This record gives sequence, C-alpha cells and structure tokens, in this order.
Amino acid sequence: AQSVTQLDSQVPVFEEAPVELRCNYSSSVSVYLFWYVQYPNQGLQLLLKYLSGSTLVKGINGFEAEFNKSQTSFHLRKPSVHISDTAEYFCAFGGLTGGGNKLTFGTGTQLKVEL
Amino acid sequence: DTAVSQTPKYLVTQMGNDKSIKCEQNLGHDTMYWYKQDSKKFLKIMFSYNNKELIINETVPNRFSPKSPDKAHLNLHINSLELGDSAVYFCASSHGTPAETQYFGPGTRLLVL
Repeated sequence: AQSVTQLDSQVPVFEEAPVELRCNYSSSVSVYLFWYVQYPNQGLQLLLKYLSGSTLVKGINGFEAEFNKSQTSFHLRKPSVHISDTAEYFCAFGGLTGGGNKLTFGTGTQLKVEL
Repeated sequence: DTAVSQTPKYLVTQMGNDKSIKCEQNLGHDTMYWYKQDSKKFLKIMFSYNNKELIINETVPNRFSPKSPDKAHLNLHINSLELGDSAVYFCASSHGTPAETQYFGPGTRLLVL
C-alpha cells in the first residue's frame, strides 16, 4: 500500500530563517511525489513535484525538495522564509488505484512564520 | 481566467436537506476529482471521473452522488445531509496519469447545522 507521512503537524519559524518540512513515503511501485501549499481559505496549489531524474527539485517561491530513495523521503526546504509563506503544506503521492489515478495526501504541516 | 471554479463558495444548511456543489474546469483536462477536507485539514479523495466515466469511488456513502455532464463539469449532489458532512469540498482536474499535476478549485465550505 502507498502512504505518505508528514512528521510535523506544526513548524514555527522566524522570518528569514531556513525551514525544512519532512515527508516520508511508502511505496513498492513507481514514485510520483508532490508538495502542495494551501494558503488560508484557499485551494491547493502545486509547489513542486518529483517524477524521475534529478533528485533535487526546484519549485515556486524559492522552495526545493530532495528525493531520497534510500531514506524514502521527500523533504521540502527553503533557505529563507517570508511571512507570506505562512500556510499549510501537504506532501502527496501520485498513484493508480482501481484503474484511476489519485493523490494520497499526508496529514499536512502548518508552517507559521513569525517576525 | 479561473482554471477550476466551484459554486457555491459557502453553504450553510440544515440536517436532512439535499444540496449540490458545481465544478467547472477550463483547462481541457479529461479527469476531474472531488476531495473532502475535514476539520483537521486531512484531505481524502472521494471520486474521480475520466471522460465522464466514474473511475474511483472511495467508500463514500451513497448519499453522495457525483455527476459529470461533460468533461469540463463535475457536480456533487448530497442527499439527507448529516452533521458529519460538514467539511470543505475541493474539486480538482488533471490529465489522466498519476504524474500529472492536479489543479484545485477554491473549495466549498459546507456547514450542516
């Protein structure tokens, strides 16, 4: 079975500090991994995704993530956060079930950036 | 231009009522989805449709009935609403492979009193 675990439910960080949001996955098949961001009272927006190739993936708003097959991880990083990065971040696994594709989401990490 | 739109944005209703949520996408995608986000922000797929055909039905009570009149629309009708149906419902669309990005609507916040 495929699953995604986000280890931290909340991550408080000061503005301009670096941040890492952790995500581990479990899968026995091809891996498609995504990070989505949800700003307050909005829908989800793609930050970045890993399909294959280079294990370091760069996304929007200065975020990047590294796919690590041996550690089954796909952690999200940003070297310097801004107040506007305050949001809920979801790691997700893209896979097939019953002939259809779906995203399996982690439980989310609330990133709170403080002055 | 809005890529994935949902109406209404907010829905407050009494237990036992029937309500519908509409979703439209103008991205030319062949696959559309409904997700439910509970009060703890957990997101779970409910249904997916590919070219108007139901592909995924994730153990959702049959009070929930999706309908896809064409590839650009996927509506969700809910009968006999219960308190536990209170949640945010997101529509999404994509091309039909697991590697494709799913594009989400703004959500419909349903509150059942």
